[in-house]
Amino acid sequence: DGGITQSPKYLFRKEGQNVTLSCEQNLNHDAMYWYRQDPGQGLRLIYYSQIVNDFQKGDIAEGYSVSREKKESFPLTVTSAQKNPTAFYLCASSIDLVGTSENTGELFFGEGSRLTVL
Amino acid sequence: AQKVTQAQTEISVVEKEDVTLDCVYETRDTTYYLFWYKQPPSGELVFLIRRNSFDEQNEISGRYSWNFQKSTSSFNFTITASQVVDSAVYFCALIEAGNMLTFGGGTRLMVKP
Repeated sequence: DGGITQSPKYLFRKEGQNVTLSCEQNLNHDAMYWYRQDPGQGLRLIYYSQIVNDFQKGDIAEGYSVSREKKESFPLTVTSAQKNPTAFYLCASSIDLVGTSENTGELFFGEGSRLTVL
Repeated sequence: AQKVTQAQTEISVVEKEDVTLDCVYETRDTTYYLFWYKQPPSGELVFLIRRNSFDEQNEISGRYSWNFQKSTSSFNFTITASQVVDSAVYFCALIEAGNMLTFGGGTRLMVKP
């Protein structure tokens, strides 16, 4: 089945450690996104990528890094510089970048990764 | 700047009741799109509907219906005859041309048997 796979589903990290969350899609979508979800705050955009080898900062990029070496993969690294990393992280993809054509806006999401810093 | 407000953080109903989830948005653009997504307990968000700013017709899909009113900047979502499987967090979202999606804070709906 086509879709988005995120791993791990649950992750625990000690303070000061970097951690990488995996996101893989087989939908042949050009655009990919990382969102952070905190209770009552909805989803906030961390990074997005319109195409391979290109990515842009979202609203809350500080303390995070990404790469887009392959169309299918968009891993997110939560660095030790992120002050409050405990959250639920969602990866998404879309055919093309939202906001660039009339037919965008439908995102396909993975099941998320819950990161807890101990 | 675009903004979406979902004032209801949590709603609890008994099965078969109708329930309306409110969504109020702010935008300076005349061209924009509104969305509703459902987040079941499994975690992934599921796309429900997209509406552009030039189409104010209400839409019905089975037990789901959406009421878009530009005069009040609202895009409310009604579930008729709710079922336990409707229990989820529902997000309203907005996009202006050239921008990213902005999500509301979400409304947690609990449908009790």
